Amino acid sequence: QVQLVESGGGVVQPGRSLRLSCAASEFTFSHHAMHWVRQAPGKGLEWVAFTSHDGTNTYYADSVKGRFTIYRDNSKNTLYLQMNSLKPEDTAVYYCAREGLWRPDIHAFDIWGQGTMVTVSS
Amino acid sequence: EIVMTQSPATLSVSPGERATLSCRASQSISSNLAWYQQKPGQAPRLLIYGASTRATGIPARFSGSGSGTEFTLTISSLQSEDFAVYYCQHYNNWRTFGQGTKVEIK
Repeated sequence: QVQLVESGGGVVQPGRSLRLSCAASEFTFSHHAMHWVRQAPGKGLEWVAFTSHDGTNTYYADSVKGRFTIYRDNSKNTLYLQMNSLKPEDTAVYYCAREGLWRPDIHAFDIWGQGTMVTVSS
Repeated sequence: EIVMTQSPATLSVSPGERATLSCRASQSISSNLAWYQQKPGQAPRLLIYGASTRATGIPARFSGSGSGTEFTLTISSLQSEDFAVYYCQHYNNWRTFGQGTKVEIK
């Protein structure tokens, strides 16, 4: 079935780097814009980053701008999040999410992965 | 930056009763709003997009309304599986979420 599967989470020290992956299956990955969304323990959802369907446009939340990079490999149906200079406040479950294809002005997230936990701690 | 404010933070409702959740945008977002449901340990699930259109497979007891800055999610008759946290999200320019409303059993 249509799904997204994240991987790459773990425990990392402050200042170090980590790369998350999100493998897509059973849909045409290259047609969809994609996002990363995170959720700190016991907190709400925070949008993190966006990439257009072809990777030419990317945007970031102010909290991660300059430290995180979102990119994709459409030949591998995979989305990535490169996280550098990690801080304790980056500790969260990280979800990848797909923008659905409705009208061009609709940008809701119709498919979500199960999430991968990132813990930044010394 | 558009700020999304949800109220109440917690809503206590008995099964079978109606639940009304509110979401306010700090500036007009037309109908560029989605609602999501999240249960403990699970990823969010899309309920509503375009402020009032139910996503595929979402029961008719869920309905969304509003435009501009004021939005409402109504669950007409709460079922046991509806007790969860609900988030609104705008996509007017960017993708900001509200802080969530927890619907708990009264």
